[in-house]
Amino acid sequence: EAQVTQNPRYLITVTGKKLTVTCSQNMNHEYMSWYRQDPGLGLRQIYYSMNVEVTDKGDVPEGYKVSRKEKRNFPLILESPSPNQTSLYFCASSGTSGMGADTQYFGPGTRLTVL
Amino acid sequence: AQKITQTQPGMFVQEKEAVTLDCTYDTSDQSYGLFWYKQPSSGEMIFLIYQGSYDEQNATEGRYSLNFQKARKSANLVISASQLGDSAMYFCAMTLYDKVIFGPGTSLSVIP
Repeated sequence: EAQVTQNPRYLITVTGKKLTVTCSQNMNHEYMSWYRQDPGLGLRQIYYSMNVEVTDKGDVPEGYKVSRKEKRNFPLILESPSPNQTSLYFCASSGTSGMGADTQYFGPGTRLTVL
Repeated sequence: AQKITQTQPGMFVQEKEAVTLDCTYDTSDQSYGLFWYKQPSSGEMIFLIYQGSYDEQNATEGRYSLNFQKARKSANLVISASQLGDSAMYFCAMTLYDKVIFGPGTSLSVIP
């Protein structure tokens, strides 16, 4: 089954404790992206990747890191989480860039709470 | 700056009626894509419909159609014959080269 998986689905952590949210897709997609969703703001793009070893900043990259060492995986790293990073996070992938009718497939989301 | 505006935070529609969800976008680029996604209370993001900036005809997908008015920079979603299962958040999104920009969303409630 074609899918994007994220782990963990729920996470409660404390300020400053490094964490990684994993994202994996099994569709051989080139483009992958991370978003955070906050009430009243919709989804905002954090980072995206056009292909292996190619990543770039979205609109809200501060406090986050990513890497793309393999085509299928695109982990999101919070090296020193803060309470303002409490949010719902989505990973998504598509065959090409966000352009075109090649729609993005979204993961199920990760709800992160930073105390 | 590139931006998506959805001016209706919440809307109600009677079951079986049609409803239009507004979306306006701001970009100076000529090449872009416009998407609508549905997010039910369960949280997943579901693709509904896509319109390319060079597409001359409005996109349609089943009960969904996109009313694309390029000069007005609007891409409204029309849902015909609303069903109870249409109750959800709806997001308009614009893709520009490699970036994707979402609007704040509209919460639609379908009344029996």
